Amino acid sequence: KQEVTQIPAALSVPEGENLVLNCSFTDSAIYNLQWFRQDPGKGLTSLLLIQSSQREQTSGRLNASLDKSSGRSTLYIAASQPGDSATYLCAVDAGNMLTFGGGTRLMVKP
Amino acid sequence: DAGVIQSPRHEVTEMGQEVTLRCKPISGHNSLFWYRQTMMRGLELLIYFNNNVPIDDSGMPEDRFSAKMPNASFSTLKIQPSEPRDSAVYFCASSNRDTEAFFGQGTRLTVV
Repeated sequence: KQEVTQIPAALSVPEGENLVLNCSFTDSAIYNLQWFRQDPGKGLTSLLLIQSSQREQTSGRLNASLDKSSGRSTLYIAASQPGDSATYLCAVDAGNMLTFGGGTRLMVKP
Repeated sequence: DAGVIQSPRHEVTEMGQEVTLRCKPISGHNSLFWYRQTMMRGLELLIYFNNNVPIDDSGMPEDRFSAKMPNASFSTLKIQPSEPRDSAVYFCASSNRDTEAFFGQGTRLTVV
């Protein structure tokens, strides 16, 4: 059974810092990995999708990497802003169904 | 496209009542998922459909829960009878295979 773990569970940083969120998964036989953002009381917004054949994806200040062999993905956020404060979730697709990690709750302080 | 649309956004019901949650997936998507989110357990997959056919319902907690997808543009999740422990946010998501999954805004269910 696929298990997804995110570390840290919570993170507080001052504005402007670059930061890395971590995601690990137990079964490397995946189709893709997706990073989401969730604001309090809201749904999930897709940030980046990395196919199993890819090593990384970039969107603006966000960069996500994937190392299937080691079962790891990282989400790098450059020059963090208060508006980046949210919960970030990674999800692994191992057969047309997403398994989610517990999320990292990020607070960026002005 | 307006995205995945869920209704109602909020539902408060008494224990024992029937609850029906509704979802309209993104047009053209062939997979639909129902998730439940709680503080204690995070996001849990309840059931998913592919081309309107239920593929995996192993996440459905018990027989009180049922889901249908009568056509490509509509799905329901029904709880009968509801219990306080069913209180959670229920999300619907849709995708095509190997592409991004898009989530609705969720239905916050409170059973009192």
